[in-house]
Amino acid sequence: DSGVTQTPKHLITATGQRVTLRCSPRSGDLSVYWYQQSLDQGLQFLIQYYNGEERAKGNILERFSAQQFPDLHSELNLSSLELGDSALYFCASSVGGTVNTEAFFGQGTRLTVV
Amino acid sequence: AQSVTQPDIHITVSEGASLELRCNYSYGATPYLFWYVQSPGQGLQLLLKYFSGDTLVQGIKGFEAEFKRSQSSFNLRKPSVHWSDAAEYFCAVGVRSLMEYGNKLVFGAGTILRVKS
Repeated sequence: DSGVTQTPKHLITATGQRVTLRCSPRSGDLSVYWYQQSLDQGLQFLIQYYNGEERAKGNILERFSAQQFPDLHSELNLSSLELGDSALYFCASSVGGTVNTEAFFGQGTRLTVV
Repeated sequence: AQSVTQPDIHITVSEGASLELRCNYSYGATPYLFWYVQSPGQGLQLLLKYFSGDTLVQGIKGFEAEFKRSQSSFNLRKPSVHWSDAAEYFCAVGVRSLMEYGNKLVFGAGTILRVKS
């Protein structure tokens, strides 16, 4: 158990809908990262927050947004869902925000868009 | 741009045999390198990391990796594979963002390890 908690574990929704994925980082970790894992794109970085502020951004779609709250948990919001958004979404956390820091991954949320 | 290449999509080894998974990276700055393992239906678990110093790093579960700057490689090895090592293995490089305290991991496509008895 990495200490990173993601809910829900599975989510099935229809095209055009909006969903929220939740992540609770390890105790004491200030950074939260979101990654998307799909068969065609592999593991892709979406976005990073450090202590409530956005610090790095990947090729995150405009339909996707995230935030980190004062208690350091994070939410990833996916809207106007398309079939191609079906993927495993991972949250990771680390103590610091610098590159020489270990990131610990949650077990992921499997999103299926039908 | 930063990238990580894992040339082998699948590798099959016999239980008890040695293992080497290849990883090549492209990054203009000092590389911070990682190997993660993903078992079916599970998240990613860190096996080992290289930040600086000794180029041969030891990790969990008996794995080790060697950083070779001249070859831009960070290959993962294990002297004797166990059936429980069957999983997908990802090499990654840590990349700084332009903002302070910003960074991300760039992953390779992964190598699926099958272990035959």
